[in-house]
Amino acid sequence: QSVLTQPPSVSGAPGQRVTISCTGSNSNTGAAYDVHWYQQLPGTAPKLLIYANTNRPSGVPDRFSGSRSGTSASLAITGLQAEDEADYYCQSYDSSLSGSVFGGGTKLTVL
Amino acid sequence: QVQLVESGGGVVQPGKSLRLSCAASGFTFSSYTMHWVRQAPGKGLEWVAVISYDGSNKYYADSVKGRFTISRDNSKNTLYLQMNSLRAEDTAVYFCARGGEITIFGVVDYWGQGTLVTVSS
Repeated sequence: QSVLTQPPSVSGAPGQRVTISCTGSNSNTGAAYDVHWYQQLPGTAPKLLIYANTNRPSGVPDRFSGSRSGTSASLAITGLQAEDEADYYCQSYDSSLSGSVFGGGTKLTVL
Repeated sequence: QVQLVESGGGVVQPGKSLRLSCAASGFTFSSYTMHWVRQAPGKGLEWVAVISYDGSNKYYADSVKGRFTISRDNSKNTLYLQMNSLRAEDTAVYFCARGGEITIFGVVDYWGQGTLVTVSS
């Protein structure tokens, strides 16, 4: 059971928009600790997608965006492409655990 | 460019020890927090440990506390993970990852390709 809760899977057709939620509690996302998002393509290492809730590293397409509200954060992907098919993870800090925590991951399928 | 290359993985019996290494290049290693993150086969990411830029502060996940030790040698640009009393549930790909320059628990922006540790008799 992950401290941060993500849906196990989401799907969408090419060109569509999908969102992935990440829900925590008052000791992590609800305490205003930053949320970061990672993309993991099959068989590869994770790659930073969004940092500090809403910021994109250079090289990440603006089709990817992040937001947060209260104890939840979301990753939105617009204009879905076949190469977006991957696992997506959120991450934050948890003050009760005194450590970083990841969500359980969400598998995105492009139909 | 930032490069992180892990080594030291392999098959080990339960109760035994193993030391992982991570060779860093392409950035000023001594200025950055470093993490170990693992991923069991077919499972999600699990944060394992973090060490501050100068090695003075270390934090661990409850699942490895007392068994694993993170350390670094800034003169060799190398990060280590000493794993003792290994259990079957420690079987995973272990990733070395770069954290921030200031905050210990900030974003992880670069990851190595990982090294597989299999704990089995």
